[in-house]
Amino acid sequence: DGGITQSPKYLFRKEGQNVTLSCEQNLNHDAMYWYRQDPGQGLRLIYYSQIVNDFQKGDIAEGYSVSREKKESFPLTVTSAQKNPTAFYLCASSAGLGQPQHFGDGTRLSIL
Amino acid sequence: AQSVSQHNHHVILSEAASLELGCNYSYGGTVNLFWYVQYPGQHLQLLLKYFSGDPLVKGIKGFEAEFIKSKFSFNLRKPSVQWSDTAEYFCAVSSSGNTGKLIFGQGTTLQVKP
Repeated sequence: DGGITQSPKYLFRKEGQNVTLSCEQNLNHDAMYWYRQDPGQGLRLIYYSQIVNDFQKGDIAEGYSVSREKKESFPLTVTSAQKNPTAFYLCASSAGLGQPQHFGDGTRLSIL
Repeated sequence: AQSVSQHNHHVILSEAASLELGCNYSYGGTVNLFWYVQYPGQHLQLLLKYFSGDPLVKGIKGFEAEFIKSKFSFNLRKPSVQWSDTAEYFCAVSSSGNTGKLIFGQGTTLQVKP
């Protein structure tokens, strides 16, 4: 079955540590997205990529970085510069501009 | 800047009651509109979408939504809810022709009592 796979499901980070969240899709979608979900705030866009080797900052990119070396993969790194990283992170992909987005199951990140 | 507002944060209904969840957006141009649903323990999935044409759109599981351009609204409705409709519902908007970037509302938690 085609879909989006996020790993790990749960992740713990120590203070001052960078962590990387994985997102893989086998839907052959060009566009991929990372969102952060906090209670009562809906989903906020961190980074998005329309095509391989290209990505843009979303609304809350500070403290995060991404890469898009392959069409299927869009990993998100939460750096030590992100002061409030505890959240639920969702990856999504879409066939093209403005098309419905398909979401992964999410990664819940907590700080030790 | 674009924004999406969902008026109800938490709704509690009994089975068979009718549902209407409000969604308003702020953007002057042409938009694509979406409702997503997140059932407990599951990933976000598309409930319905509006791109153009008939402003009354039907989605999965008996849901429908009406786009009223003059009111910048895209309210979600269901005539008779079931216990299995308990979930969190998100309205989202993207401006046509841009990057496809979605702006989400804050979400509405629907609890249906059996």
